[in-house]
Amino acid sequence: AQSVSQHNHHVILSEAASLELGCNYSYGGTVNLFWYVQYPGQHLQLLLKYFSGDPLVKGIKGFEAEFIKSKFSFNLRKPSVQWSDTAEYFCAVYGGSQGNLIFGKGTKLSVKP
Amino acid sequence: GAGVSQSPRYKVAKRGQDVALRCDPISGHVSLFWYQQALGQGPEFLTYFQNEAQLDKSGLPSDRFFAERPEGSVSTLKIQRTQQEDSAVYLCASSLAHGANQPQHFGDGTRLSIL
Repeated sequence: AQSVSQHNHHVILSEAASLELGCNYSYGGTVNLFWYVQYPGQHLQLLLKYFSGDPLVKGIKGFEAEFIKSKFSFNLRKPSVQWSDTAEYFCAVYGGSQGNLIFGKGTKLSVKP
Repeated sequence: GAGVSQSPRYKVAKRGQDVALRCDPISGHVSLFWYQQALGQGPEFLTYFQNEAQLDKSGLPSDRFFAERPEGSVSTLKIQRTQQEDSAVYLCASSLAHGANQPQHFGDGTRLSIL
């Protein structure tokens, strides 16, 4: 069965610092990968997705992620975080025939102003 | 436009009571998913509907959990004889069609607390 691992439970950064959140998935075949964000008190929102093609994917709000097949990784990056990026970030893989998403445990990001 | 609506936002029940959680997906969305999110965890798949057909219920943790979507729009997740381990946030998501290229839109969730 597919699984997703997020290594950082809680990351604390100061504004303008660079961000990289780790995500590893277990499946060795074709994968569809996602990053979702949940701002405090809000619902899960799609940040970006990878299906195929250019392994560097750009999403909303200046976020990007790089798919590295050899490392089974899909890390999320942002060059300079803002206080408003404080949220919980979830990496997910598409579950195939069921159509459901398989999520990691999430990484809570706190940005200090 | 209107997103996925879930009600109630919060539900407190005593152990052994039955509860019903409602999901109103985005109009016209064919696919509907229920997820359970325990504290400190990511959402975990419970069940999937395509229109009114429940095509996958492999994630339901026990036969106390039951979901329906009789007219292919609103869905209800029912938990019978609730137990403390059922305490979690229950998320509903809908998508226009089936497939990885169809983004899933999530509701705010129902936070269920079993006393």
